[in-house]
Amino acid sequence: DTVMTQSPATLSVSPGERVTLSCRASQSVSEFVAWYQQKPGQAPRLLIYGASTRATGIPARFSGSGSGTEFTLTISSLQSEDFGVYYCQRYNDWPPRVTFGQGTRLDIK
Amino acid sequence: EVQLLESGGGMVQPGGSLRLSCAASGFALNNYAMSWVRQTPGKGLEWVSAISGGGGSTYYADSVKGRFTISRDESKNTLFLQMDSLRAEDTAVYFCAKDGVVAAPQYFDSWGQGTLVTVSS
Repeated sequence: DTVMTQSPATLSVSPGERVTLSCRASQSVSEFVAWYQQKPGQAPRLLIYGASTRATGIPARFSGSGSGTEFTLTISSLQSEDFGVYYCQRYNDWPPRVTFGQGTRLDIK
Repeated sequence: EVQLLESGGGMVQPGGSLRLSCAASGFALNNYAMSWVRQTPGKGLEWVSAISGGGGSTYYADSVKGRFTISRDESKNTLFLQMDSLRAEDTAVYFCAKDGVVAAPQYFDSWGQGTLVTVSS
């Protein structure tokens, strides 16, 4: 089974700063990685799929990169509304299933 | 506009059963894969089950295989999750999620608001 490990567990950043979140897969997953943002009391929101494709309506300050086992979600200039927990997820597995990382909590300083 | 509305959650004793529903609007269920994803209070996300669009192939996480059954009613555009032999560790908020493609499961571009299932004596 693929294990998705996210780092750091928690991050506190000031508005306007650049943020980099990491996700490592225990085996190669090609580019089959998605990223989600979840705010308290809400459902997750899809940000990125295919490692680097922004979902519909996602601001350009969010970008994804990586392939194989190392992936990154970058927020180019942090906005106050970007707080929440960020999850990476692998897909296109066999047998068909998806696996989530444990999440990175992003707090606004 | 895509909308997903879950219902059917509640409290049940260990060994009991519960049936969750997810009413979909804004798209046809059989055109996309659909999944159930759960989240333990204060913890992360766990994929539970999926049904593909088209032919409706079904898939399950090992933790629920043999106990949970996913299905859909195309006439009502509604997704279901029949949960039997429930255990305390099944306690979670259950989300239904629409896949971005017809094959399942992949990435989820729309989610419901979630319904809480509590398994306790």
